[in-house]
Amino acid sequence: EDKVVQSPLSLVVHEGDTVTLNCSYEVTNFRSLLWYKQEKKAPTFLFMLTSSGIEKKSGRLSSILDKKELFSILNITATQTGDSAVYLCAVEEWGNAGNMLTFGGGTRLMVKP
Amino acid sequence: KAGVTQTPRYLIKTRGQQVTLSCSPISGHRSVSWYQQTPGQGLQFLFEYFSETQRNKGNFPGRFSGRQFSNSRSEMNVSTLELGDSALYLCASSLVRGDSTDTQYFGPGTRLTVL
Repeated sequence: EDKVVQSPLSLVVHEGDTVTLNCSYEVTNFRSLLWYKQEKKAPTFLFMLTSSGIEKKSGRLSSILDKKELFSILNITATQTGDSAVYLCAVEEWGNAGNMLTFGGGTRLMVKP
Repeated sequence: KAGVTQTPRYLIKTRGQQVTLSCSPISGHRSVSWYQQTPGQGLQFLFEYFSETQRNKGNFPGRFSGRQFSNSRSEMNVSTLELGDSALYLCASSLVRGDSTDTQYFGPGTRLTVL
C-alpha cells in the first residue's frame, strides 16, 4: 500500500533555531511531492518538488527531494513563533487522470519565544 | 483573486441525518478535490471532480458523494451520518492545463460535528 511518513511527529524549538522536517514515501508512480503549512484551518502551499537534488527556496524555508532514496526534507532557518504550525507532506502519483494527493501525518512544530 | 471558499464553515448534525457542503474554487480553476481531516486519520482524499465528472475517488463508503456544476463549483454530500464522520472537510482547487493538473490550493474547510 502506498504511504507517506513524516518525522518527527512533533518538535519544540526556540526562536532562532534551525529545524529539519522529514518526509519519506513509497508510491507506485511518483509525480510530485508537495509541502503545506497548516495553522488553524486551510493548508497553505509551500513547495512542489518534482526533480531530485534541486533545492526550492522561499525566504527562510527550503526543501529538497531525493528520488533515489525516496525522501524529502523541509528546512526552516532562524525560526520565528509564526512558524508554529503543522507541516504536511503530500505525494501525487501519475496514472490517475487528475489530482490525488496522499498525505503524511504531519509534523507539529512549536517555536517558543 | 479570491481564494477557495467553503460554506458553511461550521455544521452540527445528528446521527442518521444527511449533509451537503459547498465549495467554490478559485476563478479559472476547474479541478476540485475534497478531503476529510480527522485527528486519528489525518488528511484523506475523498474525490476529485473536473468538468463535472468524478476523475478520482478515495477509499470512502458510498454514503460520501459529490458533484460539480458547470461553473466548477462543487458540493459533497454525506448521507446517514455517523459519529465518525465528525471532521474538518477541506476542498482544494487547481488549474488544469492540457493533461496536467497544477498545485492544489485549499479552502478554510467546513467543521462538521455529528452528535
